[in-house]
Amino acid sequence: QVQLVESGGGVVQPGRSLRLSCAASGFTLSYYGMHWVRQAPGRGLEWVAVISSDGSNDFYADSVKGRFTISRDNSKNTVYLQMSSLRAVDTAVYYCAKDGDCSNGACHPNYFSNWGQGTLVTVSS
Amino acid sequence: QSALTQPASVSGSPGQSIAISCTGTSSDVGGYNFVSWYQQHPGKAPKLMLYEVNNRPSGVPDRFSGSKSGNTASLTISGLQAEDEADYYCASYTSSNTRVFGGGTKLTVL
Repeated sequence: QVQLVESGGGVVQPGRSLRLSCAASGFTLSYYGMHWVRQAPGRGLEWVAVISSDGSNDFYADSVKGRFTISRDNSKNTVYLQMSSLRAVDTAVYYCAKDGDCSNGACHPNYFSNWGQGTLVTVSS
Repeated sequence: QSALTQPASVSGSPGQSIAISCTGTSSDVGGYNFVSWYQQHPGKAPKLMLYEVNNRPSGVPDRFSGSKSGNTASLTISGLQAEDEADYYCASYTSSNTRVFGGGTKLTVL
């Protein structure tokens, strides 16, 4: 079965950097786009970034553009989120999510088909 | 990248039906049939309930259905059950190749 396991969260000071990882198993990672979604404490879901299946395209929310970078290593079945110039407002649980699904020869993209359990990032001095 | 608009809360009694609206613009909800819905229980990761407006993944009961008219999508839950009490979020693909979520709706089963 599909499994996504995030890691790398923790407490970091404002202005510093942190890299999150998402280890994928149970499916062929190279077939799918992947997302990062975050949720601040007590708040709603916020989409952060997406990367295409081969890593050639990526898109970001305005709130993180220029500070965060999504990347992937399909040979290691892992997706990353490099976060720099972190701010207190970046404090959240960060989830990775698989984009869509393929079955019976047909692929349906543009939704979050599977989610990890999340990793908490706390930006605080 | 403004969030889609959802009611903050809805409620219903067991067995009843409720609907949650999700309003966007012609650049997201109204422009594409890539609207999806997610259920989130406290302390848990979100779970996909509907994709492409009204398609249910395997395992999701047919009590959950979706529709869309113009810039507004809706999630309907019929035959409300206690375990349906959760937060619900809509999401949409956008013309900028980004994605956007609604602010979330807290469903209370009375």
